[in-house]
Amino acid sequence: AQKVTQAQTEISVVEKEDVTLDCVYETRDTTYYLFWYKQPPSGELVFLIRRNSFDEQNEISGRYSWNFQKSTSSFNFTITASQVVDSAVYFCALISSGSRLTFGEGTQLTVNP
Amino acid sequence: SQTIHQWPATLVQPVGSPLSLECTVEGTSNPNLYWYRQAAGRGLQLLFYSVGIGQISSEVPQNLSASRPQDRQFILSSKKLLLSDSGFYLCAWSVGRGWDMNTEAFFGQGTRLTVV
Repeated sequence: AQKVTQAQTEISVVEKEDVTLDCVYETRDTTYYLFWYKQPPSGELVFLIRRNSFDEQNEISGRYSWNFQKSTSSFNFTITASQVVDSAVYFCALISSGSRLTFGEGTQLTVNP
Repeated sequence: SQTIHQWPATLVQPVGSPLSLECTVEGTSNPNLYWYRQAAGRGLQLLFYSVGIGQISSEVPQNLSASRPQDRQFILSSKKLLLSDSGFYLCAWSVGRGWDMNTEAFFGQGTRLTVV
């Protein structure tokens, strides 16, 4: 069985603060991919990043960075200098060789001006 | 390039009426297809997934069913809608199996279903 846990249901920050969204996953497969998606109020899911299970390098893309640690089964997402436009629900997801794309419950991020 | 079409965008249906939501993918072959539901203020719940024509796996027993009559077509149905079926339904696709697994899932625009 596989599972993705996003323990933070809601986070509220003030603009320009840094914020980290946590993601913990469970899978018995040794080959898998992890994702982060953003869901703005309009509803569509926007792909942000993928990471395969053999690549533990952290990644930075502009104000976004991701910290993948297999030892703790975590794939955390940090937004630096948050902006109001970052307000959205963020989902962490996992897909393994069983072809099931499993999502966490999502974290509602609100960035206040 | 690959695209995914999902319709309708919004739907209001009375309790007890049937439902049919359609999803089609273009530009790829033999995709994995998924139906998700998102109730208001909640996370994404995987309802069905399919790795091939006629192959449907159900994740949650409920009032819904899915079919895959063609390689790139995935249909979500219900014979009689319940109030609890209201929500935001998302279709998605990915490709690959096992070691050849692709690394990204693509989502449709979603259907907002309101059962009244």
